[in-house]
Amino acid sequence: GAVVSQHPSRVICKSGTSVKIECRSLDFQATTMFWYRQFPKQSLMLMATSNEGSKATYEQGVEKDKFLINHASLTLSTLTVTSAHPEDSSFYICSARGYTTGEIYNEQFFGPGTRLTVL
Amino acid sequence: DAKTTQPTSMDCAEGRAANLPCNHSTISGNEYVYWYRQIHSQGPQYIIHGLKNNETNEMASLIITEDRKSSTLILPHATLRDTAVYYCIVQSGGTSYGKLTFGQGTILTVHP
Repeated sequence: GAVVSQHPSRVICKSGTSVKIECRSLDFQATTMFWYRQFPKQSLMLMATSNEGSKATYEQGVEKDKFLINHASLTLSTLTVTSAHPEDSSFYICSARGYTTGEIYNEQFFGPGTRLTVL
Repeated sequence: DAKTTQPTSMDCAEGRAANLPCNHSTISGNEYVYWYRQIHSQGPQYIIHGLKNNETNEMASLIITEDRKSSTLILPHATLRDTAVYYCIVQSGGTSYGKLTFGQGTILTVHP
């Protein structure tokens, strides 16, 4: 299957600062990328969907001005948590769907996740 | 997208087959059944998906009932590394194409 990476894997920041998380598709073109958040002992919650070159579509209740998503290329999407607060501490996971030479992927491939802790 | 129902937890002995059921009685004609799993503190891993025919790959088999109201994921020879949360998700091919709605899943514990 296709590979998705995330960076950093873990970040600790002070309250009020901004944090950027990168999501890359390593061996395929990611036409659509998704960002999820997962709190301890809970399931994944979709935050937003982004198509390359377009503005992201946010799920209900997710503040688009707080969680800035950029999907400027077919291999990179970034999530910036602006003015982070302790309640933003969570496990952030990206996924991607797309294509490579001779194959279209209908399934999503997930990154390993980024653990954000806001002090 | 249709809602799914899965048992909260299951146990399986190492080396035996693990059969994980999923109920999706409100599934509609263009909706696929996807299975993912999440090992603790990692991102989910795609396992398999199907529309109406049974499917098999190197990881698992997916058995979908004829009326498509339920399915079973089969791990033929479970190992300790298969201990994870398994998610059964129904995904539409319509306007919400690509969106996955994760439920609580089934916690599968494989024991020696």
